[in-house]
Amino acid sequence: KAGVTQTPRYLIKTRGQQVTLSCSPISGHRSVSWYQQTPGQGLQFLFEYFSETQRNKGNFPGRFSGRQFSNSRSEMNVSTLELGDSALYLCASNTQGQGETQYFGPGTRLLVL
Amino acid sequence: EDQVTQSPEALRLQEGESSSLNCSYTVSGLRGLFWYRQDPGKGPEFLFTLYSAGEEKEKERLKATLTKKESFLHITAPKPEDSATYLCAVQPPAWGSQGNLIFGKGTKLSVKP
Repeated sequence: KAGVTQTPRYLIKTRGQQVTLSCSPISGHRSVSWYQQTPGQGLQFLFEYFSETQRNKGNFPGRFSGRQFSNSRSEMNVSTLELGDSALYLCASNTQGQGETQYFGPGTRLLVL
Repeated sequence: EDQVTQSPEALRLQEGESSSLNCSYTVSGLRGLFWYRQDPGKGPEFLFTLYSAGEEKEKERLKATLTKKESFLHITAPKPEDSATYLCAVQPPAWGSQGNLIFGKGTKLSVKP
């Protein structure tokens, strides 16, 4: 079974630009979560999508948004990039029901200059 | 506020020197506790899920245990390839927390030959 894929793996942007990251979950999984990982804050939850609907959102500004398509692929967008947005962005593909487990992709490393 | 605290932050072991990593949490109505391994520049790799106090899970040299307030990851006779950051995460009660795992900052383990 193929794992979670994330594209691109690396990105360099400048302040003020916007960026879109993509995630393809494990086949059959309908829930996707996004996290931001930085050395200082660790992993912080951004949002979760299930069947194209955002069910949960973390404490991030409105510049961070996402969506999910009918094939469960998900994208997240960050507008008006700031230096502090430099981080590893991780997507997790989630099982549902009893014994929910999150399986992570390799991440997208974003550097904002 | 739900919190997860891992200790120590870093641990250096000699090959074959067994030890334990600690994860303490303050979450009411815990639905699950997860252990992940993360190598530099990669996404977290799922290791174990624990659901109730007294539960234990094993995989090769790793053994995870759970009490009402904390979990331990025991590493028996570690090898250099066990070097990684070990992350603990908890899953709060279902309502309002879909897809959201609360992570600790991790324990960085180094095993020297």
